[in-house]
Amino acid sequence: EVQLLESGGGLVQPGGSLRLSCAASGFAFDNYAMSWVRQAPGKGPEWVSSVSGSGSNIRYADSARGRFTISRDNSKNTVFLQVSNLRADDTALYYCARVGLLVTGGARRYYYYMDVWGKGTTVTVSS
Amino acid sequence: DIVMTQSPDSLTVSLGERATINCRSSRTVLYSSNNKNYLAWYQQKPGQPPKLLIYWASTRDSGVPDRFSGSGSGTDFTLTINNLQAEDVAVYFCQQYYDIPYSFGQGTKLEIE
Repeated sequence: EVQLLESGGGLVQPGGSLRLSCAASGFAFDNYAMSWVRQAPGKGPEWVSSVSGSGSNIRYADSARGRFTISRDNSKNTVFLQVSNLRADDTALYYCARVGLLVTGGARRYYYYMDVWGKGTTVTVSS
Repeated sequence: DIVMTQSPDSLTVSLGERATINCRSSRTVLYSSNNKNYLAWYQQKPGQPPKLLIYWASTRDSGVPDRFSGSGSGTDFTLTINNLQAEDVAVYFCQQYYDIPYSFGQGTKLEIE
């Protein structure tokens, strides 16, 4: 069964940091790009960052660039999001999600819809 | 940035009837080189993560009932749910993956009458 399990969230003061983790199972992890998507209470999802299967191609939303760092460890089937200099508006449920993959003629291409989601980990920024 | 706008914000439909949800992008999400619309639809039930229903504007994900269908091209898209069932109560989101930042609509809440 394909599964994603996030951890590492918590209550943190403004300016603080956390390291979010997402453990993947049930699929060939290093074949897939992965994303972090967050959702504030009562709001729609917001894409935060994505990393390619090899880890060499990384993308960030403007709200994350310079404060958040995505990375992955393919030997541990895990993707991370280091979140720093946190603000109150970073308060949200942070989801890990698998990016769509199309294999054509042996070539892999990523298409950034999210076909598998974890249950999320909550980050609350408050003094 | 591409802004995704859904309508209506909420919708009440009777069991067995049809629900129609619209999504408009602020610029085209049709990629001319492959003639594909980079548009996905998700369903989110209370306390659960979003679930992918449709990608490429009209391709159902594996296991999604054929009551769910997507249509549209360019900037205007529709999610149609036929023969509405009680388990379809949820919030539905569209998402464009044409350009960074990948963006979602604000959501449409579907309820049963």
